Amino acid sequence: KNEVEQSPQNLTAQEGEFITINCSYSVGISALHWLQQHPGGGIVSLFMLSSGKKKHGRLIATINIQEKHSSLHITASHPRDSAVYICALTPDSNYQLIWGAGTKLIIKP
Amino acid sequence: KAGVTQTPRYLIKTRGQQVTLSCSPISGHRSVSWYQQTPGQGLQFLFEYFSETQRNKGNFPGRFSGRQFSNSRSEMNVSTLELGDSALYLCASSPGQFLVGTEAFFGQGTRLTVV
Repeated sequence: KNEVEQSPQNLTAQEGEFITINCSYSVGISALHWLQQHPGGGIVSLFMLSSGKKKHGRLIATINIQEKHSSLHITASHPRDSAVYICALTPDSNYQLIWGAGTKLIIKP
Repeated sequence: KAGVTQTPRYLIKTRGQQVTLSCSPISGHRSVSWYQQTPGQGLQFLFEYFSETQRNKGNFPGRFSGRQFSNSRSEMNVSTLELGDSALYLCASSPGQFLVGTEAFFGQGTRLTVV
């Protein structure tokens, strides 16, 4: 079983829809990261969470440490939000990140 | 403040050759990590350097090596290239221990194609 699972793997939605991407994990962590990768490769860090909720513009990230679950929400989605969204963990036990497989999001105009 | 700079952006090499990729971290950052991204494997950790010392290493063969200079710039070298080495190589910098208590700062990556 993978230590971090993302769902869904692929998501296609219409512009304006509310988007939710989920990340579940099975190890103890010191932090969870949400990252965005656009076609062409560059990765941008969106959030780093260790508890609670963070908001940046139309993006909201939440984490429930007890349930080992995090969600990334996008409100009023736009075609420019189309990207791969990756959940990554900094585990308690070592310094190497554990990466989720990513969720490919396509927002149609 | 300049971001993480990786050079070159694109590279085509022949099997058996060697290649050197470069990463300039954000000014003041001392940690540089390297990742390989392939469609089938996702992101895989190669190694992390901090203050010129390799601090962590992933499960890659010895053909993959790296180093970090006193100005924190890092290079990654792959010798005896194989077709399977074709990938996007990403570098990330951090002020301290990578991604613990700090945001991630990634470069645009170097896309290596081995023919």
